[in-house]
Amino acid sequence: EADIYQTPRYLVIGTGKKITLECSQTMGHDKMYWYQQDPGMELHLIHYSYGVNSTEKGDLSSESTVSRIRTEHFPLTLESARPSHTSQYLCASTPRGGNGYTFGSGTRLTVV
Amino acid sequence: AQSVTQPDIHITVSEGASLELRCNYSYGATPYLFWYVQSPGQGLQLLLKYFSGDTLVQGIKGFEAEFKRSQSSFNLRKPSVHWSDAAEYFCAVGLSGSARQLTFGSGTQLTVLP
Repeated sequence: EADIYQTPRYLVIGTGKKITLECSQTMGHDKMYWYQQDPGMELHLIHYSYGVNSTEKGDLSSESTVSRIRTEHFPLTLESARPSHTSQYLCASTPRGGNGYTFGSGTRLTVV
Repeated sequence: AQSVTQPDIHITVSEGASLELRCNYSYGATPYLFWYVQSPGQGLQLLLKYFSGDTLVQGIKGFEAEFKRSQSSFNLRKPSVHWSDAAEYFCAVGLSGSARQLTFGSGTQLTVLP
């Protein structure tokens, strides 16, 4: 049973559109993460947050932005989608001091 | 910077055969080590993790992994593979300290033949 939820699971959208990928967790975890994964490739960290009003960029440069207004919610926004943004986006969370991540099912984004 | 290498992109085994998935890492100190599994259309699920202590760790679904410091390896093993084990497997290295970020390998796709 998933305790971290990502919506939508699949999204096909036109170039130039603004989109928001949702991620919510019900475990009260302080730390949340967004990873980008291309087919057959490793996961790359693009954003992370250690708590409310805390956000940082990850190892992989991304044109997306994130916000953390509530502990349970960590949405990712693309102001103007481009075909290069086509990828799978995975959200994860972990409690303070913990090292086991819980991952969502991912959002597979296609920009046409 | 730390890195994780999974040298096998794709492995095929017969059901009931043993399995070993390789993982090598490059890091200045002993890292936190993880194995995750990703079934088609699903998120990542933690199989097992190593922080310290006994170098042979047991995980879920009958998997185990052995940390070998001298070889900078953390290979995943299972004595008898089931068809439901077909999935993609990711090795990951965790940074020490407060960051708790993971660096993932590129994954190994496992196919199980009947």
